[in-house]
Order: sequence, then C-alpha cells, then structure tokens
Amino acid sequence: GAGVSQSPRYKVAKRGQDVALRCDPISGHVSLFWYQQALGQGPEFLTYFQNEAQLDKSGLPSDRFFAERPEGSVSTLKIQRTQQEDSAVYLCASSPREPPGTDTQYFGPGTRLTVL
Amino acid sequence: KNEVEQSPQNLTAQEGEFITINCSYSVGISALHWLQQHPGGGIVSLFMLSSGKKKHGRLIATINIQEKHSSLHITASHPRDSAVYICAVFLRGSNYKLTFGKGTLLTVNP
Repeated sequence: GAGVSQSPRYKVAKRGQDVALRCDPISGHVSLFWYQQALGQGPEFLTYFQNEAQLDKSGLPSDRFFAERPEGSVSTLKIQRTQQEDSAVYLCASSPREPPGTDTQYFGPGTRLTVL
Repeated sequence: KNEVEQSPQNLTAQEGEFITINCSYSVGISALHWLQQHPGGGIVSLFMLSSGKKKHGRLIATINIQEKHSSLHITASHPRDSAVYICAVFLRGSNYKLTFGKGTLLTVNP
C-alpha cells in the first residue's frame, strides 16, 4: 500500500504566520512520530502518538508548537507565530505496533518549511 | 557532545570502491538503525541491529556493543548510492525515541 505521505512538501511563511503541516501515516499504523531536521543536521524528536494519545511531547521546542492526531490516523503539526529558527524539514514517521519497541519506522518525504 | 557521532561527515568515492561509514555512541542502547536519505527525499531504513552483523545486497552493517560502535559498509559502490547515511539509536530505557547522528554525505562519482 501507500507509504507515509506529508503535505505540503514545501511551505514558505512570513515570520509571525501560523502554519499547519499534515501527515498521513501508513494505514493501520498505531505509532506516529514527528521530527525536525535543521539543515545539515540529523533529525530531532519532537513528539510521539500512540493512536490518538500524545504520549510524549518533550521534544517540542516551545509552546508555539502543537500536534494532534484526533482520530488516531492523520496528524497535524501546527506552528504558531513562526520564527526564522523554525525553518527546517519536518519529518513524520509511523510504525505498526504499540509500543513500537525497536520496530522500523517508516518515514514520509518531509515538509520543508522556510520562514522569511 | 552529541550522544551519537558519525564519521566521516563527508565522503567522496569513485565508483566501485569499498565504503565504510562509522557510528559511535556514548550511552547504552537497545538497538541501532542505519538510514538512508536522498536529497529532497524521505528517509529509508536500511538496517536495524542490536548485535552482530546484517547484510542486504551490497550493504553490510556491523555493531560492537562493548565498544559502542557500528559500521556501515558498501561494497562495489555506485553513483546511485550517493545519499546521506544516518545512524540512529534507541537509548536503553526508551522503546520509541530515536536519537540521530548528523549523517554522512556520501558522493560516488562515476
């Protein structure tokens, strides 16, 4: 079936705008992750969902970042009042089990956010 | 200091060469992933290992838990192998949170 998809693939925002990034995980995958990847760096963990429950949001950099997965499938990462330092690729990944243990995570193509 | 360190940061090779990328970590882990990221593309998991050695096609991954070190080898490298290779670990005690290295940019010239 289809892999993890993300939209939009590219987003340009003016500083101060709100943005919403969407992730469609692989159908039936219980676990969903958001990561932030700055240019030239490895991804960094933002948050983890098990079905609709957000079990870990320790990686969210500030209270301007908010993620939800209300029906346990599609997830949205929202960034309010974007700042230039928010410019990065935002990656979504999903994994079939709960908890995922050391399961393979399946990554989407990412959304490249540029804040001007 | 990062918990996961990769070397080299950049690597250029000629087609056909044997490639080695190294990953060292400073903490206890339960498993280690090798991932591949093509420019503009998503990340693909190549291997997940917690001991020993795994092989898939021209790719070989090894891990030495005692030395806290893993290597990814590519035999008979090809230009299509050009990508960023990322090492990521599940820290011991975490069953879902991956900690990533910065990646190694590999360029294989024809």
